[in-house]
Formats: sequence, C-alpha cells, structure tokens
Amino acid sequence: SAVISQKPSRDICQRGTSLTIQCQVDSQVTMMFWYRQQPGQSLTLIATANQGSEATYESGFVIDKFPISRPNLTFSTLTVSNMSPEDSSIYLCSVGAGTGFEQYFGPGTRLTVT
Amino acid sequence: GQQVMQIPQYQHVQEGEDFTTYCNSSTTLSNIQWYKQRPGGHPVFLIQLVKSGEVKKQKRLTFQFGEAKKNSSLHITATQTTDVGTYFCVANAGKSTFGDGTTLTVKP
Repeated sequence: SAVISQKPSRDICQRGTSLTIQCQVDSQVTMMFWYRQQPGQSLTLIATANQGSEATYESGFVIDKFPISRPNLTFSTLTVSNMSPEDSSIYLCSVGAGTGFEQYFGPGTRLTVT
Repeated sequence: GQQVMQIPQYQHVQEGEDFTTYCNSSTTLSNIQWYKQRPGGHPVFLIQLVKSGEVKKQKRLTFQFGEAKKNSSLHITATQTTDVGTYFCVANAGKSTFGDGTTLTVKP
C-alpha cells in the first residue's frame, strides 16, 4: 500500500479566490487521481494526473477551473480556481497501486467557500 | 456510458444482524473493487474480485462476483458497531466508476 498526505486538510475561502491542494505519496506511482466528494455523496472523478503531460479530465471538469500539476511520480497539485460556494466539497487524491491497481486515498481536503 | 447501481442506499441494522449490499453494472466488468469509508474518513480498499463467480471472505465479510461479471455483493455476518460506514463498489471496465454507496448504521 501507499501512504498519502494532503495539504491543507481544510480551508475556508472567499468566493472568487483560488486554492491549491497538494498531494504527496511516499513512493513513486504511475497513476494519480483527483476526486470530489459532496457531503453524503459518492466520489466523482475530476481527472487523472499524468506525469510529464497534461491531466486527463472527466466530462464536466475543465482545465481552466481545475488545473493540475504532476511534476514527478510522488507529487501532484489540484487548484480550484475562481471558487464559488458550489465548489464547497471534499477533494481527495488517490493513487493506483498493487497488482489490481486498487486505489489508496489521501485523507482529503475539506473546502468551504463563502 | 457505464452505469453502476448500488442498493440499498441506507441500511439500519441491530447489532448482530446480517447486512448485504448489491452492486449492478450495465456492462461486463474486468473486475470490481469494494471500499469502506468510515464517517469523516476516506475510502479504504477492501478487496478486488476478478473471476466470474468468484467468492472471497475476510472474517465476517463475504464478497461475490456474479457469473456474468456484471454484479457483485458484499455480505456482513453478525454486524458489529465497528462495521458502520459507507461501502462503495467500484466497477472497472476500462475506466473506474464508483457506485453511490450503501451507508450502514448499527444500533448496539
């Protein structure tokens, strides 16, 4: 398994500002993902963070709103840009590891936009 | 696109009762994974099923993969208060899709 840390763990931000969330893994991994989870809801995949190339975004998510960096195999950032209250959510990063590419999740970042 | 249904959405049981959650996909899957998310926590990987008709056990938890590789179930025998949380299936068929989850509460 992989150990994943995220920073910040939570934040309260004002409308119109941006927040960058960091995800650090204790080992090199090929696959890293970013998810959003609304309270009481399932996880929605935002994008796959690709090392050395642009992230692959899911339908409904765009790079201008959620720019992602992946400078190496142990680190990634997700920025939530020009935030609105609808962006209030928990953001989780995960890595695919193991023989079946099971996912290991970070503790999440709880974002509140006022 | 791939659709994944998970039922029930909520299940309230008395401690000691059994619990089952079901996951159904609209497409044939390469594998299915199960995760548990405790209240306030993040999803934690439980198991992966790959073969048609596969059954795996982890102590009181029994996982099954359907013969057609389109459905799966998680059964907990004699629930305990430590079993509370939301159980998600993740259907994998080229891309991974999370089910909506089943939230289990256990009354002591």
